[in-house]
Amino acid sequence: EPEVTQTPSHQVTQMGQEVILRCVPISNHLYFYWYRQILGQKVEFLVSFYNNEISEKSEIFDDQFSVERPDGSNFTLKIRSTKLEDSAMYFCASSLYGGNEQFFGPGTRLTVL
Amino acid sequence: QKEVEQNSGPLSVPEGAIASLNCTYSDRVSQSFFWYRQYSGKSPELIMSIYSNGDKEDGRFTAQLNKASQYVSLLIRDSQPSDSATYLCAVNRGGNNRKLIWGLGTSLAVNP
Repeated sequence: EPEVTQTPSHQVTQMGQEVILRCVPISNHLYFYWYRQILGQKVEFLVSFYNNEISEKSEIFDDQFSVERPDGSNFTLKIRSTKLEDSAMYFCASSLYGGNEQFFGPGTRLTVL
Repeated sequence: QKEVEQNSGPLSVPEGAIASLNCTYSDRVSQSFFWYRQYSGKSPELIMSIYSNGDKEDGRFTAQLNKASQYVSLLIRDSQPSDSATYLCAVNRGGNNRKLIWGLGTSLAVNP
């Protein structure tokens, strides 16, 4: 059964450093998403991506964040200068159509020290 | 006003019983509704989707949607200890809006 994969599973970084989180969405899906979940809190939407461009982003997704689909399979989230409050689980998801069922990867736990 | 609300629980049921999980949402134009299961430290796993009023059954799971009351529920029949997890309700507004808006989740404990 096709699944979304994410690497790394855990990333530890120093405040102010850049991190890149990687995802491989399900191969025939057209829409890609990043969410995050701070421990004990709700899952929060960050950004959606379709047809090689951002289709929607939240107020969390400020200039420190960027997304890219560098090739036909990978989808990345970059945080340019990490802050302590960026510590969270970051989930990548994909769906065949917008508004359709979204399938999640296992997540990357980001710890900013 | 919270957009998606769930009772945080914990909801405790004996093995074999029916577990009933509830969710209300504030955006009346919401189009798509989803239930996810999340084990501690893991990612959300899609269980059910529902798009129109009424009931939708899949195995031991039944989702119920009432758009007039802005209410969606999940019933789990013959609950098993492996069903013990947090159940997340997620809502999509539809149209050009792709994002899911999430509730905090209801913690379910199924006791053997």
